Amino acid sequence: DTGVSQDPRHKITKRGQNVTFRCDPISEHNRLYWYRQTLGQGPEFLTYFQNEAQLEKSRLLSDRFSAERPKGSFSTLEIQRTEQGDSAMYLCASSLAGLFYNEQFFGPGTRLTVL
Amino acid sequence: DQQVKQNSPSLSVQEGRISILNCDYTNSMFDYFLWYKKYPAEGPTFLISISSIKDKNEDGRFTVFLNKSAKHLSLHIVPSQPGDSAVYFCAASGRGGSQGNLIFGKGTKLSVKP
Repeated sequence: DTGVSQDPRHKITKRGQNVTFRCDPISEHNRLYWYRQTLGQGPEFLTYFQNEAQLEKSRLLSDRFSAERPKGSFSTLEIQRTEQGDSAMYLCASSLAGLFYNEQFFGPGTRLTVL
Repeated sequence: DQQVKQNSPSLSVQEGRISILNCDYTNSMFDYFLWYKKYPAEGPTFLISISSIKDKNEDGRFTVFLNKSAKHLSLHIVPSQPGDSAVYFCAASGRGGSQGNLIFGKGTKLSVKP
């Protein structure tokens, strides 16, 4: 399968714990995005990378959130000191920059539940 | 404030008939629009897109129409099939998508009844 993959698919944690999610994009894609989706809402943009560089961060990305893409391939999203409000589906997407029209392809998501 | 609005949370259609899903946007800087389909427990799947230089784009049973003056787009599915039952999200981007992030609506849940 050559699509976007995310791990884990589900994570249950207690409030105050740290969690880390991984995303592996489509191999030839140089852009990688993180979104968050809560019930009844569409995906909300968090941040994106072009190769290793983090080019944009949403105001939704508080200082408890950090994302990395160290070698321009996979990415990790870490949430420190989780809160119940962090419970959501975390989606990763990738695309090929350089084309004018930028279709993003999504992974299956990681569902986070904070107890 | 919501820049992309899908005002119908749900739509029910008979198999074989046309499904029309609507989307409005407020930001005139948006120049690229996409539709995604989402099944439960899966990520959104790209369906079809349109740039602002066009007013129509067709791909098989799916057609997207764009009315820039009204800041409105619609997705037509004809004929509708039970497998089309899913949540459909409209998304928009500026500068042809090179701006990075997509702005999504809240989605419309389509149910196609056999």
